[in-house]
Amino acid sequence: KAGVTQTPRYLIKTRGQQVTLSCSPISGHRSVSWYQQTPGQGLQFLFEYFSETQRNKGNFPGRFSGRQFSNSRSEMNVSTLELGDSALYLCASSLAKLAGYNEQFFGPGTRLTVL
Amino acid sequence: QQPVQSPQAVILREGEDAVINCSSSKALYSVHWYRQKHGEAPVFLMILLKGGEQKGHEKISASFNEKKQQSSLYLTASQLSYSGTYFCGTAPNSGGSNYKLTFGKGTLLTVNP
Repeated sequence: KAGVTQTPRYLIKTRGQQVTLSCSPISGHRSVSWYQQTPGQGLQFLFEYFSETQRNKGNFPGRFSGRQFSNSRSEMNVSTLELGDSALYLCASSLAKLAGYNEQFFGPGTRLTVL
Repeated sequence: QQPVQSPQAVILREGEDAVINCSSSKALYSVHWYRQKHGEAPVFLMILLKGGEQKGHEKISASFNEKKQQSSLYLTASQLSYSGTYFCGTAPNSGGSNYKLTFGKGTLLTVNP
């Protein structure tokens, strides 16, 4: 079974630009969560989708948005990029309807650098 | 609210034991443990659920004190492969918020020969 895939793996953008990251979950997984990882802060929850519905959102500004498609693939968008948005963005998929009940499978992440 | 992990870092020699703790201020539905090696994605280790159910790798040992909202991960007879950053993630016991996992800042474990 193929694992969680994320594209692109690396991105370099400049301040003010916008970016779209993509995540394909494991086949059959309908829950997709997004996290931002920066040194010293661990994994910061961005949002979680299940069956195309956003069920929960973390404490990030409205510049961060996401969506999920009918095939469970998910995208997240960051508009008006700031230097502080430089981070590793991780996507995780889960089989369960409740993200707290089953293990999450993480993708390799997208490394975003904002110059 | 982000759970608090302790210690922040620990250095062991092969064969030594370690305990990593995770504490939350909220009543919890579940506690998750993941390990992340440098440059890699986090990998699932264990889930401890309210009510006593546990799911995870047989070689991993952990506890969950529901009354204190605390969990501990026990690493015994450590091996070099145990090195990495360990994260605990908590899901609050508050209905719809079960959809969200909040992770601690991590504990860096280094195992030396």
